[in-house]
Amino acid sequence: DAGITQSPRHKVTETGTPVTLRCHQTENHRYMYWYRQDPGHGLRLIHYSYGVKDTDKGEVSDGYSVSRSKTEDFLLTLESATSSQTSVYFCAISQGGRVGGMDGYTFGSGTRLTVV
Amino acid sequence: AQSVTQLDSQVPVFEEAPVELRCNYSSSVSVYLFWYVQYPNQGLQLLLKYLSGSTLVKGINGFEAEFNKSQTSFHLRKPSVHISDTAEYFCAVKITQGGSEKLVFGKGTKLTVNP
Repeated sequence: DAGITQSPRHKVTETGTPVTLRCHQTENHRYMYWYRQDPGHGLRLIHYSYGVKDTDKGEVSDGYSVSRSKTEDFLLTLESATSSQTSVYFCAISQGGRVGGMDGYTFGSGTRLTVV
Repeated sequence: AQSVTQLDSQVPVFEEAPVELRCNYSSSVSVYLFWYVQYPNQGLQLLLKYLSGSTLVKGINGFEAEFNKSQTSFHLRKPSVHISDTAEYFCAVKITQGGSEKLVFGKGTKLTVNP
């Protein structure tokens, strides 16, 4: 989607290795989010950020950490990848507030991560 | 706590038939509600949203949804579906707490339109 990019698009990694996924935005939006999508579970929130260095946990945060040192970048790190973290990961951005609601949330194209 | 329940995990219909995808939410405060669509192997695209005002919301591709506060529902409808509407549909609610906000999703409904 325009204004938000995720990298890499695909990754295969081994159990126990660290992995970092990147979300980059050019919209200067305040909020950034990381979700994982799994069959039968929809999208579940991992972590989110409401400003530089301001982050909070979502419903499935165990095994994940995040960092946001700049407005435009939100990094998701799997410290020691496990097979249960095989998933499709989506980043989303929002301006927040009523304006953000009017615009909706914009999603990236996703990162397909396989842990073997 | 706020949550979203999509009552049907799969909905098969024939082309040109009407369809309704059901969504219920639980909330004790004002809500912003959304429907997103995900076509196979793609990301999420906003279909429509309810913020306030008219309870009937029209979105893209001929979809509409009705906000019903008394029944805490936000069902998605289309009077006549096409093969190209085959996709997964997600209902979501925006939660605001402690000065921050987040989007919580239902588990999704897979719509399959058959010829």
